[in-house]
Amino acid sequence: DIQMTQSPSSLSASAGDRVTITCRASETIRHYLNWYQQSPGKAPKLLIYSASSLHSGVPSRFSGGGYGTDFTLTISSLQPEDFATYYCQQTYTFPWTFGQGTKVDIK
Amino acid sequence: QVQLGESGGGVVQPGKSLRLSCEASGFIFSSYGMHWVREASGKGLQWVAYISDAGSGTKYADSVKGRFTISRDNSKNMLYLEMNSLRVDDSAVYYCVRQPDSGRTFDYWGQGTLVTVSS
Repeated sequence: DIQMTQSPSSLSASAGDRVTITCRASETIRHYLNWYQQSPGKAPKLLIYSASSLHSGVPSRFSGGGYGTDFTLTISSLQPEDFATYYCQQTYTFPWTFGQGTKVDIK
Repeated sequence: QVQLGESGGGVVQPGKSLRLSCEASGFIFSSYGMHWVREASGKGLQWVAYISDAGSGTKYADSVKGRFTISRDNSKNMLYLEMNSLRVDDSAVYYCVRQPDSGRTFDYWGQGTLVTVSS
């Protein structure tokens, strides 16, 4: 199975901060990388697909990049509703695997 | 609008069975591949199973292969997960998830149904 490793596991930030989360795959996954946001008690929501494509309705402060094994999710200016847990996911090959999550909380 | 509604969760003893259902609406169900994803408390997300749009193709996580069966009834817009020989570590919130026809991602998620396996 392809292992997905996110860093950091958690971070504290303030509203307005620029935040970057990284995700590393144990082998190449080309561009088959997605990012999800999950608020407490809620289902995950798709933010970014195919490494850098913004899902419909997602604010433009979210952006994704990378190819192969190294990927990033950037939030350009953190908003109160962005405090949540973020997951990367590879869909290059089954089983589709997720990173362990990055919790973003308020400093 | 797209809606996915899971049901069937509950408390069950180890070794027993449970059947989860997911009712889909707001889209042409028969045109989309569907998945089940689970989230154990404090453990993150784990993909469980996939079924193709027509139901002819399925895939499973190794941890559930041989015990779980994914199926669908396109005439009823329903997705199912039959879970047998349940273990304590199968306890989780189970989400019904849609894969868009244009890509390998999960674009819509249900609200989840909680399965607790305990003696």
